[in-house]
Amino acid sequence: DAKTTQPPSMDCAEGRAANLPCNHSTISGNEYVYWYRQIHSQGPQYIIHGLKNNETNEMASLIITEDRKSSTLILPHATLRDTAVYYCIVRLLISSGSARQLTFGSGTQLTVLP
Amino acid sequence: DAGVTQSPTHLIKTRGQQVTLRCSPKSGHDTVSWYQQALGQGPQFIFQYYEEEERQRGNFPDRFSGHQFPNYSSELNVNALLLGDSALYLCASSQGQVPSNQPQHFGDGTRLSIL
Repeated sequence: DAKTTQPPSMDCAEGRAANLPCNHSTISGNEYVYWYRQIHSQGPQYIIHGLKNNETNEMASLIITEDRKSSTLILPHATLRDTAVYYCIVRLLISSGSARQLTFGSGTQLTVLP
Repeated sequence: DAGVTQSPTHLIKTRGQQVTLRCSPKSGHDTVSWYQQALGQGPQFIFQYYEEEERQRGNFPDRFSGHQFPNYSSELNVNALLLGDSALYLCASSQGQVPSNQPQHFGDGTRLSIL
């Protein structure tokens, strides 16, 4: 699976949008981009994933560049409870059978400030 | 709808002992993966079980073994515990029969401390 590069830390003011970047320049055509977050003392929580189109759900939006070499996770109105480590993961799609494991990097520590 | 549940939440062992950790997957999921997360690091993949067989394995020694039961629940066993085995052990579940772009869902882990 392709490696990802994320900034180690970011701050965001409460109520503002948090934009978390991720570089995955070696991504291949059948690899998805996943975002998870991990709040202190909890397990990772799935946020969103996408292949090449922008995606939105109740938690966040995922913007993937046209060449797919980078992406941005957007939390539209950050709250204090969004303070967490955010992981960007690139994962190979296989057509059937058991799912491929997730390869976590170091992630970005997002701190939402009051 | 219960999510992934793990037991126990905390555990203290001494070097050389053996430990068994347990995981019940999210309802409707049949694939279980185990991860080890050392303090300050991202989770590292240990292995994955599907249809009661180990399907994939990360770079972990044979001291780490597992099992999956017919009800899809799973156990992680670690023998001859070392101080370096102190970590948060995470279980994740997913559906194996659908295309693997489906996300894995994690439990809150078992915190294992080795004295």
